[in-house]
Amino acid sequence: DAKTTQPPSMDCAEGRAANLPCNHSTISGNEYVYWYRQIHSQGPQYIIHGLKNNETNEMASLIITEDRKSSTLILPHATLRDTAVYYCIVRVASGAGGTSYGKLTFGQGTILTVHP
Amino acid sequence: AAGVIQSPRHLIKEKRETATLKCYPIPRHDTVYWYQQGPGQDPQFLISFYEKMQSDKGSIPDRFSAQQFSDYHSELNMSSLELGDSALYFCASSPSINYEQYFGPGTRLTVT
Repeated sequence: DAKTTQPPSMDCAEGRAANLPCNHSTISGNEYVYWYRQIHSQGPQYIIHGLKNNETNEMASLIITEDRKSSTLILPHATLRDTAVYYCIVRVASGAGGTSYGKLTFGQGTILTVHP
Repeated sequence: AAGVIQSPRHLIKEKRETATLKCYPIPRHDTVYWYQQGPGQDPQFLISFYEKMQSDKGSIPDRFSAQQFSDYHSELNMSSLELGDSALYFCASSPSINYEQYFGPGTRLTVT
């Protein structure tokens, strides 16, 4: 699986958009970008994933650059409850082949702190 | 919606004892993953099962073993516990291999 690089920490004001960047310059054609977050000592939580098109769900939006070497997770209106460690993970998805068998490799994520 | 259930939530054991952690996946999920998270560390993959067969193995000590049963629940068995085994152990389930994973609340194991 491709390696990702994220800033170690970011701050955001409550109610504002939080934009979390991720670099994955060695991403392969069959690898997806996944985002998970972990609120202190809780189980990681799936947020969103995408291949090359921008994606949006009820939690967030994912913007992937055209060359797929980087992406941005956007929390449109951050709340205090969004304070967490955010992990960007690159991995093959269902039907995409590969030998990862689905395991997630958590690297250094971004500690997002949302303040009042 | 039903979530992943892990039991027990907290467990205290002494060195050299054994421990069994249980994981009940979301209904109709056939894939289970186990992760270990030490203090101040990121979660690390241990082992996974797909349709009751081991599908992948990570940095799991030989003292640990796991299996997935016919009802798809999974158990992680840990023997000859060491102080360094103190950690949060998360189980995650997914509808199949390489789909998004849904994590349980974790079991906090403390070895004294």
